[in-house]
Amino acid sequence: EAQVTQNPRYLITVTGKKLTVTCSQNMNHEYMSWYRQDPGLGLRQIYYSMNVEVTDKGDVPEGYKVSRKEKRNFPLILESPSPNQTSLYFCASSGTENSPLHFGNGTRLTVT
Amino acid sequence: QKEVEQNSGPLSVPEGAIASLNCTYSDRGSQSFFWYRQYSGKSPELIMFIYSNGDKEDGRFTAQLNKASQYVSLLIRDSQPSDSATYLCAVNMLSRGTGNQFYFGTGTSLTVIP
Repeated sequence: EAQVTQNPRYLITVTGKKLTVTCSQNMNHEYMSWYRQDPGLGLRQIYYSMNVEVTDKGDVPEGYKVSRKEKRNFPLILESPSPNQTSLYFCASSGTENSPLHFGNGTRLTVT
Repeated sequence: QKEVEQNSGPLSVPEGAIASLNCTYSDRGSQSFFWYRQYSGKSPELIMFIYSNGDKEDGRFTAQLNKASQYVSLLIRDSQPSDSATYLCAVNMLSRGTGNQFYFGTGTSLTVIP
């Protein structure tokens, strides 16, 4: 089944404790991206990647890192999480930069 | 400056009516336009995409695009209670970095009343 898989689905952590949210797609998509969704603010792009080893900042990249060492994986790294990073996070991929995005099931992160 | 704007609603329509959802975007050079449906706490799911001016129909859904007016809409005919959700408009625009970025509106909340 074609899908984008994120893990974990739920995560509660404390301020400053490094964490990684994994994202993997099995559709051989070149384009992958991370979004956060907050009430009233909609989906905001954190980082995106056009292909392996090519990443770029979205609209809200501060406090986040990404890497794209393999085509299928695009992990999101929070080196020192803070409470304002409490949010619902989505990973998404598409075959080309103009094709529809396919979303993962989301990761609800709480930083206390 | 917001890139994609939607009326946040809430929009309420009776069952069986037509629901009309609207979206405007800022980049005149945008080429790809998408409508997603999102239930509370779930991931967005693609309903329609449209690339050319005019109408595109798929079942009960019709997407309309007017590039001159920078306007895209979604019509839902014979609305059902299961259509109650938030509808997200997304536009693919040339980014400040490499390649294109998807920009999303904040969504319109639709309630279909039985």
